Amino acid sequence: EAQVTQNPRYLITVTGKKLTVTCSQNMNHEYMSWYRQDPGLGLRQIYYSMNVEVTDKGDVPEGYKVSRKEKRNFPLILESPSPNQTSLYFCASSFGKRTEAFFGQGTRLTVV
Amino acid sequence: GESVGLHLPTLSVQEGDNSIINCAYSNSASDYFIWYKQESGKGPQFIIDIRSNMDKRQGQRVTVLLNKTVKHLSLQIAATQPGDSAVYFCAEPRNNNDMRFGAGTRLTVKP
Repeated sequence: EAQVTQNPRYLITVTGKKLTVTCSQNMNHEYMSWYRQDPGLGLRQIYYSMNVEVTDKGDVPEGYKVSRKEKRNFPLILESPSPNQTSLYFCASSFGKRTEAFFGQGTRLTVV
Repeated sequence: GESVGLHLPTLSVQEGDNSIINCAYSNSASDYFIWYKQESGKGPQFIIDIRSNMDKRQGQRVTVLLNKTVKHLSLQIAATQPGDSAVYFCAEPRNNNDMRFGAGTRLTVKP
């Protein structure tokens, strides 16, 4: 089954404790991206990747890191999480930026 | 600056009626638009897309209209059903390869 898998689905952590949210796709997509979704603000792109070893900042990259060492994986790293990073996060993949994107189920992160 | 936005944050319709969800954009060079549906507790799902060389595109019960003159697109859902209740987003890839989403419209279908 074609899918984008994020883990974990739910995470509660404390300020400053490094965490990684994993994302994996099995569709051989080149384009992958991370979004955060906050009430009233819709989906905002954090980082995206056009291909392996190619990543770039989206609208709200501050406080986040990503890597793309393999085509299928695109982890999101929060080196020192802060409460303002409490949000619902989505990973997505597609063949390109002008094709439909497939989204994961989301990761609800709470930073206390 | 560039933006993709929606006219109305909420829309309530009667089951069986048609729904129209609107989206405005500001970049006249935009050449591709996508509509996504997000049900409660799920990630967004692709509904339909349209390229700027088209004015209209139809899918199953959905139609997207693009008016490049006023930089506006709309999603029309025919014979709206309870399963159509969701948040709908328009999205636009920008020239620098990132993707911009609108804030979303919540569609509620009343039985």
